[in-house]
Amino acid sequence: QVNLVQSGAEVKKPGASVKVSCTTSGYTFSSHYLHWVRQAPGQGLEWMGIINPSGSSTRYAQKFQGRVSMTRDTSTSTVYMELSSLRSDDTAVYYCARIRYNGYDALDYWGQGTLVTVSS
Amino acid sequence: DIQMTQSPSTLSASVGDRVTIHCRANQSISPSLAWYQQKPGKAPKLLIHKASSLESGVPSRFSGSGSGTDFTLTISSLQPDDFATYYCQQYDSYGFTFGQGTNLEIK
Repeated sequence: QVNLVQSGAEVKKPGASVKVSCTTSGYTFSSHYLHWVRQAPGQGLEWMGIINPSGSSTRYAQKFQGRVSMTRDTSTSTVYMELSSLRSDDTAVYYCARIRYNGYDALDYWGQGTLVTVSS
Repeated sequence: DIQMTQSPSTLSASVGDRVTIHCRANQSISPSLAWYQQKPGKAPKLLIHKASSLESGVPSRFSGSGSGTDFTLTISSLQPDDFATYYCQQYDSYGFTFGQGTNLEIK
């Protein structure tokens, strides 16, 4: 079965960077784009960006341009999301999610989420 | 980016009720609209894609409709497991924006 397993919770100081991993299994890694979505405490869902595991092309939400980087490792079927220059309002649960079919489609499988806390 | 507006923000209902949640886009996105259910501490779960297509394994009491800019999610007969927060999402263009969510609570 399809599984997306994310790395554990992180605590970071303002100005630091965080790198969250999302290891996939149960399907062909290169066949489905992966998105990153975050959710601040008590708030809604915010789209961050997308990565094509096949060619490693990426597209980021304008809000995160210059601060976010999404990469992949095909040997381990893992994608990574690194966010730099962390601020307190980056405290959130970060999710990876698989697109149903490539191109433009809904997100059918999600990771369990990774809580990133930014605090001095 | 396309803006998505959900209403109501909170909905109080009872088991057995029929409920409808609305989602409006500020430009046409048809039919690139999904609905998700989220419970506290859990990842969102896909319910509906392409505005009205039921995801595999989702109970048939959930249905989606709409086109262009206006969409609805209907739960025909609320079950105890349905009390959660619901989000719409457009995937017509980059931004992949979500609505702000509708908290469905027990009356």
